[in-house]
Amino acid sequence: DAGVTQSPTHLIKTRGQHVTLRCSPISGHKSVSWYQQVLGQGPQFIFQYYEKEERGRGNFPDRFSARQFPNYSSELNVNALLLGDSALYLCASSLVSEKLFFGSGTQLSVL
Amino acid sequence: GENVEQHPSTLSVQEGDSAVIKCTYSDSASNYFPWYKQELGKGPQLIIDIRSNVGEKKDQRIAVTLNKTAKHFSLHITETQPEDSAVYFCAAPYNTNAGKSTFGDGTTLTVKP
Repeated sequence: DAGVTQSPTHLIKTRGQHVTLRCSPISGHKSVSWYQQVLGQGPQFIFQYYEKEERGRGNFPDRFSARQFPNYSSELNVNALLLGDSALYLCASSLVSEKLFFGSGTQLSVL
Repeated sequence: GENVEQHPSTLSVQEGDSAVIKCTYSDSASNYFPWYKQELGKGPQLIIDIRSNVGEKKDQRIAVTLNKTAKHFSLHITETQPEDSAVYFCAAPYNTNAGKSTFGDGTTLTVKP
């Protein structure tokens, strides 16, 4: 069975641009969470979606938004990119409220 | 929200020795405590987890212990091997929902052959 898949794997953007990151959860998983991981730190929670509804939001500005589609895949959007948005963006899916399964992430570089 | 502290930040051991990583958490309502292993270029992978009604759980060479009174839990790796070298993270959920978790800052484990 396929694991959590994320695209693209790498992305280079310039300040002020917009970016869309995509995630496909493990088949049957209805919960998708997004995390930001800055080099040398642990993942930081951004959003959780379950059954297409937002179930939680971390301490991130309104420039960050997300949505979940009927097939449970998800998109993370970031507007007006800043240099500090450079990070590894991780998507995780889960069947119930435990046991997160992470994708390999999207490495975003903002120049 | 939950506050998670992880120690040490780096750990170097000889192959065959044991390694112990400790995390403390702040929310006494937390009831699920996972450990993740992250290798270079990959996302974190769940390696073991424990629920608050259990004090210890083992899976071959790895084990997790939980002290709810002191609000800390630890990862124990015995008979370490070079392939155990990676970054290890502990996590604690917001409001018992692991989808919304606070992670520690990680421990870089190096196992020297």
